[in-house]
Parts: sequence; C-alpha cells; structure tokens
Amino acid sequence: EADIYQTPRYLVIGTGKKITLECSQTMGHDKMYWYQQDPGMELHLIHYSYGVNSTEKGDLSSESTVSRIRTEHFPLTLESARPSHTSQYLCAASGQGDTGELFFGEGSRLTVL
Amino acid sequence: GQNIDQPTEMTATEGAIVQINCTYQTSGFNGLFWYQQHAGEAPTFLSYNVLDGLEEKGRFSSFLSRSKGYSYLLLKELQMKDSASYLCAVTDSNYQLIWGAGTKLIIKP
Repeated sequence: EADIYQTPRYLVIGTGKKITLECSQTMGHDKMYWYQQDPGMELHLIHYSYGVNSTEKGDLSSESTVSRIRTEHFPLTLESARPSHTSQYLCAASGQGDTGELFFGEGSRLTVL
Repeated sequence: GQNIDQPTEMTATEGAIVQINCTYQTSGFNGLFWYQQHAGEAPTFLSYNVLDGLEEKGRFSSFLSRSKGYSYLLLKELQMKDSASYLCAVTDSNYQLIWGAGTKLIIKP
C-alpha cells in the first residue's frame, strides 16, 4: 500500500497569489494523479504522470502546472489563484502491473478569497 | 461521450441490505472500481471487477455485467459507519479512469 502525503491540508489565500500543493509518496509507485473535487461532485482529473519527467494534462487542467522530477514527489502549482479554484485537491498514486487501484492522500482544501 | 450513472442518494436501515447500482457508457472497458468516501475524506478502494460475475469481500460484494454496462455494490448487515458516498469508476480503453458523481448512502438506526 502506498502512503501518500499532502500539504497543506487547509489553505486560505487571496486572489492572485501563487501557491504550490505538495504531494509525496513513499512506495515508489510510477503513476501519480491530481484530482479536483467539489462537495458531492465527481472527481475531475487535473494532471497525471506515468513516471519521472512525464506529465500530462487531464480533463480539467484548471490553469495549473505540475512537475515530476523525482518518483516520490508530484507538486501542483497555481500561478495566480482565483475564487473559482476554491475546491478540494486530491493526490493519488498507483503502481504498474496491478489492477490500477488508486491510493489517495488526505487532500488539500483550498479557499481563494 | 463517456458517462457513469449512479443514484445521487439512498437511505437504508442499520442491519439491512442495500444495493447501489452503476451503469456506464465508455469508450472501451478495462475494469470497474468501487470506492468509499466518507465526508471530508479521501476515497478508499473497495472492489475491482474486470470479468462478469460477483466478487465477494466480507459484508461487501460487487457485481459486473459487461454486456449490459452495469454493476452494483451490495452492502450487507449495514452499520452506521457505512454512511458515506460510494463512487463507481470505469477504466476506459486508454486506461483512464472515468468517475461517477457518487451515491450518498444514509444509514438510519
């Protein structure tokens, strides 16, 4: 099982600020994902990575960027936060060769004022 | 387009049995997942079906019919802690996960 760590858990910031949401995993899984989820709604894929130096945009890139310089680290950056970015952001990882089961972090709840 | 349908909300009584249905229309199929998500928490894996039939795991079972594009999650001997949202997700031909909006299950004493 992958241990997925996200920081910060909660963040309140003003419009126009640059923020980075951190995500780390300790089991060396190749595939990592960022999802956005509003209360009671489905998960929307923002970005994903199949390994080091591999990043792809999902259905909802939401004006954010990611990097994958190390296997265990997959940060998400918003260059200029807007109130529409207020949401919960979930990081997940899965290994190759298995069913594709995702292991999720506890999430980062972002509020942009 | 790709689509996952599941009921928005269901209510059941403690100790009873409940079945949560999921229908899907996707470009290809490479497996179906059920996840449980308690309010304010991240989803956790419950089950995976890739072949037709029933997979049983303790109080939870999941069924799949690929020809009908249909799955259900069966929860037996319901407990109050089973109150959560249950998410159905399908892996398409590109191995991308398509998520349903989830079914909020309310358990009453």
